[in-house]
Amino acid sequence: KNEVEQSPQNLTAQEGEFITINCSYSVGISALHWLQQHPGGGIVSLFMLSSGKKKHGRLIATINIQEKHSSLHITASHPRDSAVYICAVRATGNQFYFGTGTSLTVIP
Amino acid sequence: KAGVTQTPRYLIKTRGQQVTLSCSPISGHRSVSWYQQTPGQGLQFLFEYFSETQRNKGNFPGRFSGRQFSNSRSEMNVSTLELGDSALYLCASGRTSGGYNEQFFGPGTRLTVL
Repeated sequence: KNEVEQSPQNLTAQEGEFITINCSYSVGISALHWLQQHPGGGIVSLFMLSSGKKKHGRLIATINIQEKHSSLHITASHPRDSAVYICAVRATGNQFYFGTGTSLTVIP
Repeated sequence: KAGVTQTPRYLIKTRGQQVTLSCSPISGHRSVSWYQQTPGQGLQFLFEYFSETQRNKGNFPGRFSGRQFSNSRSEMNVSTLELGDSALYLCASGRTSGGYNEQFFGPGTRLTVL
């Protein structure tokens, strides 16, 4: 049983498309993180949120605490957005749990 | 400000050996977390240190251990290496922002066990 489930696992989009990646979790959390990992391994934290919605450039993250669900949206996708996106939650017991990641490829 | 640094970046060991990995957090950050990433299991939480104390631990065997020094630098040690320990080991430096722990990841150490 995975504490964090992500969908889809793989996603291919045309440049300019609107993209949504979903994350559901089953534990009580203090915060949810969206991470981006490029080939080669480097991980960047995109968002940390515990309620509502955050926006950074073309990226938007939302969370619904009651439904235990979060979404990451990318507007006007670009080939440089190609990466693996990982949803992670910090549980109320302070453990971190990770989704298996969504591999995004944006085609020019 | 310098980012999180991890040394070494690549390491090859043989089964049964032990290994020590090092992580230097961003200046001023007091927490360091360690993660293991493998193709099969994805990212998994190893442990978290704050002000030299282990604050939390993931579900890994006792062969995996760590410590944090007074300057916040951290090391993790894996003893009696197994083939399955081959992985990318990531460390993240944490700071509290708005009451929550924001994570900044290092580039990782890629460990290969032969």
